[in-house]
Amino acid sequence: KQEVTQIPAALSVPEGENLVLNCSFTDSAIYNLQWFRQDPGKGLTSLLLIQSSQREQTSGRLNASLDKSSGRSTLYIAASQPGDSATYLCAVIIGAAGNKLTFGGGTRVLVKP
Amino acid sequence: GAVVSQHPSWVICKSGTSVKIECRSLDFQATTMFWYRQFPKQSLMLMATSNEGSKATYEQGVEKDKFLINHASLTLSTLTVTSAHPEDSSFYICSAGTSGRAVGELFFGEGSRLTVL
Repeated sequence: KQEVTQIPAALSVPEGENLVLNCSFTDSAIYNLQWFRQDPGKGLTSLLLIQSSQREQTSGRLNASLDKSSGRSTLYIAASQPGDSATYLCAVIIGAAGNKLTFGGGTRVLVKP
Repeated sequence: GAVVSQHPSWVICKSGTSVKIECRSLDFQATTMFWYRQFPKQSLMLMATSNEGSKATYEQGVEKDKFLINHASLTLSTLTVTSAHPEDSSFYICSAGTSGRAVGELFFGEGSRLTVL
């Protein structure tokens, strides 16, 4: 059974500092991995989707890396801003059949001005 | 990106009543919809997968008679919590995908917060 773990569970940084969020998964036979953002009481916003054949994806200040062999992904957020405060979730899909996502527990981020 | 709308965004009900939550894909046809449940400060747990025109597939431990899912059209899926109890209070989120998009390209609704008194 695929298990997804995110460390740390919570993170507080001053504005301007770079953020590093970690995600690990137990089954390396993933189809892809996604990073989401969730604001309190809200749904999910997809940030980055990395296919299993890719090693990283970038969008603006966000960069996500993927190392399937070690079962790890890292989300980097450069020059953090108070608006980056949210919970960040990673999720994986195993196999090409279906879109069943297995989510990690999330990392709650607070960027202090 | 595509838009998925959930309604209601929050609902309070008495114990023993049933509550229906709707999930609509507004600008695309959702061949598959997923229903998740999220407790405070916890991650999303998949409850069931629904494909248009067929019965939903429930995850282990999810009572199908309690959480009724209907996916009667390509733009609408409903989750009905029957005979709700306080332990059913949670945040319910749906997501939708379509065969025309990449695997894993799902769009999420804003969620529905259910409070059972």
